[in-house]
Amino acid sequence: DTEVTQTPKHLVMGMTNKKSLKCEQHMGHRAMYWYKQKAKKPPELMFVYSYEKLSINESVPSRFSPECPNSSLLNLHLHALQPEDSALYLCASSQDVAGILRTEAFFGQGTRLTVV
Amino acid sequence: KNEVEQSPQNLTAQEGEFITINCSYSVGISALHWLQQHPGGGIVSLFMLSSGKKKHGRLIATINIQEKHSSLHITASHPRDSAVYICAVLDTGNQFYFGTGTSLTVIP
Repeated sequence: DTEVTQTPKHLVMGMTNKKSLKCEQHMGHRAMYWYKQKAKKPPELMFVYSYEKLSINESVPSRFSPECPNSSLLNLHLHALQPEDSALYLCASSQDVAGILRTEAFFGQGTRLTVV
Repeated sequence: KNEVEQSPQNLTAQEGEFITINCSYSVGISALHWLQQHPGGGIVSLFMLSSGKKKHGRLIATINIQEKHSSLHITASHPRDSAVYICAVLDTGNQFYFGTGTSLTVIP
């Protein structure tokens, strides 16, 4: 299994809602990542988890809260988002934290989030 | 100025044409990736390069470390090749940078 699975594929939420994005991989990768991608822009790194611990937080607002319950699962909890947070949220994994571009990178299909 | 520049930004080709997408970067790197992103969002890693040339099917990627330049070539292009192609580099400080992407449309 060489897939990174993200759910849901699409999500529409109001600014007062709480929702969560889910990412799962069963490749034994110990590094997992959240990226945000706006239309016609490259992905922007949000968070990196290494061995289930948060290792990089790219100054992301606290309305985004990551969680790594185990080595296969990565969540992104969303609360009180703004319309400008509407974007494609991509999850990725690699064997280790320095390796996302040093080794083969696996990306999920993304969750397209719309905040209304 | 971006650390990774791609050209062209947009490319339209007839089916069967030979396509080249270029990537230049300004940082010292340990690896360079070519990524493919189809409409709908999913990203697929096509190649990882640290030197020389790699070939996979109709895709060829080259890198010149001294010139800080890489190219992605598609031979005998097909409409299913239509996608955004992104060059991404990992610098020697373990920071990664993405290019802005090249949007390719192959017309039947």
